[in-house]
Amino acid sequence: GAVVSQHPSWVICKSGTSVKIECRSLDFQATTMFWYRQFPKQSLMLMATSNEGSKATYEQGVEKDKFLINHASLTLSTLTVTSAHPEDSSFYICSARELAENIQYFGAGTRLSVL
Amino acid sequence: GNSVTQMEGPVTLSEEAFLTINCTYTATGYPSLFWYVQYPGEGLQLLLKATKADDKGSNKGFEATYRKETTSFHLEKGSVQVSDSAVYFCALSPRGGSEKLVFGKGTKLTVNP
Repeated sequence: GAVVSQHPSWVICKSGTSVKIECRSLDFQATTMFWYRQFPKQSLMLMATSNEGSKATYEQGVEKDKFLINHASLTLSTLTVTSAHPEDSSFYICSARELAENIQYFGAGTRLSVL
Repeated sequence: GNSVTQMEGPVTLSEEAFLTINCTYTATGYPSLFWYVQYPGEGLQLLLKATKADDKGSNKGFEATYRKETTSFHLEKGSVQVSDSAVYFCALSPRGGSEKLVFGKGTKLTVNP
């Protein structure tokens, strides 16, 4: 299957700083990528849909100014958590949609801890 | 609307036991159906999929059949191993419309030696 690389896998930052997470599709082009947040022992919550060359589409209740998404190329989307606070600590997972198969392939996730 | 309902866990089995995790769905149109697996501390991996009624997805000894008449996609494995311990998510992808995946809540499986 296709491979999606997510980096970093784990990040610790101080409150008030910004953190950037990268999501790359390694062997296919992805016009659409997705960003999810997962709380402990819960399912994935879709945060936003990232569209190459256009603005991201955010789910209701997700602050677009706090979670900045950029999808500048067909293989890379980034999520920047701006002015992070402890309540932003979570597991963030990206996925990329392989168009021909209509399958989403997932990155390994990023664990963010905000002190 | 679209939704996925999975049996609640956790599920605890002994090695070599038979596994069933139930999944039913509600969807408009004809969705594609998926099972994803998440090992501790990792992201989701596609386990198997089915794109139309009566399709059977299979991988690593796991199977699931797309049953349109019962709107179900139950996951089964004849003999589980300790290494199968993980969280399993059932999901659907609507056809011809939204690209978003709709996930069930996940079922945690623990297999004891």
